[in-house]
Amino acid sequence: AQRVTQPEKLLSVFKGAPVELKCNYSYSGSPELFWYVQYSRQRLQLLLRHISRESIKGFTADLNKGETSFHLKKPFAQEEDSAMYYCALRGGYKLIFGSGTRLLVRP
Amino acid sequence: EPEVTQTPSHQVTQMGQEVILRCVPISNHLYFYWYRQILGQKVEFLVSFYNNEISEKSEIFDDQFSVERPDGSNFTLKIRSTKLEDSAMYFCASRTDSNTGELFFGEGSRLTVL
Repeated sequence: AQRVTQPEKLLSVFKGAPVELKCNYSYSGSPELFWYVQYSRQRLQLLLRHISRESIKGFTADLNKGETSFHLKKPFAQEEDSAMYYCALRGGYKLIFGSGTRLLVRP
Repeated sequence: EPEVTQTPSHQVTQMGQEVILRCVPISNHLYFYWYRQILGQKVEFLVSFYNNEISEKSEIFDDQFSVERPDGSNFTLKIRSTKLEDSAMYFCASRTDSNTGELFFGEGSRLTVL
C-alpha cells in the first residue's frame, strides 16, 4: 500500500532551535517524495523535492530508503517558518499526502 | 506569476443540492487534479484528469462526483445530491507534462453542506 505517515500533529519550538519534522512512507518501488508547506491563509506550495537535493529557506530533507523516511530539517528555526507542513509521495499520476504537521516557532 | 484560481472561495448549500466548483488551471499545464480536505484531516486525492479524460480516481470519487473541462480554460468538479459529509475544502491543482512536474494548487473552495 502507498502511504505517508507524519506522526506529529504539532511541533512547537523556540526561535533558533533545530527542527525536525518526521515523515515515513510505504511504497513498493523507487519513491519520489516532496515536502509541501501551507502558510496561514495561503495556498499549498512546494517546499522541496528529494530528487533536487536542494536547500530551500534553510530546510533540507534526505531520503533514507533503509528507514523509509524523508524527514525535514532546519538547524535554526525562524518565526516565519510557522506553517503546516505536508510530506507527499508520488504514486502514479497523483500525490499522496500525509496528515500534516503544524510547526509553531515561538519567539 | 501564473496561479491556479478557484471559485467560489466559500459555498454554503443545503443537503441534497448540486454544487459546481470551478477552477482555472495554469494555462500551459496538462494534468489537472481535485483534492479534498475535511476539517482536521489529511489532504485526500479525488481525481486526476489528462487529455480530456479521467486518468485516475480514488474510492471517494464515486458516481456522486464528476469532472469536466468544458472549454480550454475551466476545470469543474460537480457534486450531485450533496451530503453533510461532503463539507470540506476542495483544492484544484495542475501541473505540466514534465515527469517531475510540481503540483500547483489553488487556494481552495470551502464547501459547507447544511
